[in-house]
Amino acid sequence: GDSVTQMEGPVTLSEEAFLTINCTYTATGYPSLFWYVQYPGEGLQLLLKATKADDKGSNKGFEATYRKETTSFHLEKGSVQVSDSAVYFCALWDGQNFVFGPGTRLSVLP
Amino acid sequence: KAGVTQTPRYLIKTRGQQVTLSCSPISGHRSVSWYQQTPGQGLQFLFEYFSETQRNKGNFPGRFSGRQFSNSRSEMNVSTLELGDSALYLCASSLSVGGGSYEQYFGPGTRLTVT
Repeated sequence: GDSVTQMEGPVTLSEEAFLTINCTYTATGYPSLFWYVQYPGEGLQLLLKATKADDKGSNKGFEATYRKETTSFHLEKGSVQVSDSAVYFCALWDGQNFVFGPGTRLSVLP
Repeated sequence: KAGVTQTPRYLIKTRGQQVTLSCSPISGHRSVSWYQQTPGQGLQFLFEYFSETQRNKGNFPGRFSGRQFSNSRSEMNVSTLELGDSALYLCASSLSVGGGSYEQYFGPGTRLTVT
């Protein structure tokens, strides 16, 4: 079945550092891809999405590009803030099922 | 527009008891999905309801059940609770029927503790 793999966390960065969280997927067909963020004590919030190859999703300074050739959807941000500390989930929708990755915890230190 | 609401937010139950959790989707959303989130297993899909019918089901025992009402509100029931059922239960609603982008909007979750 479909699956999503994310880099192991936790990831600890200093404020203003560059962030990359790797995400790769396995799916038949052409899934839609998503990044969700979960702040402490809250549910998941949609961060960004891409629905077809080469699409770039972006929001709040975060970006991710749908790379069909490498089946990847890596999350990037040029300069992280302490307020970005959260758990980030990569996910796909294959037209029938929604599949989440295990999540990557990000801690940003001042 | 109000977001997804879940009640109660916190719940403590004893082994062997049963529990019912409630979810109200965003107005106009007809699809409601339920997930269990634990530190060890991550986010696991329980089931999805659309127009009062269960459309998809994850790999959970029959003790976990759900239903959806005509106003799209959904309830999830867990019978004969076990310690391992302690988790954050998340509900998500969606407008899309299927295909294309399927954005899910999550509620804050219900934290269930089984003692």
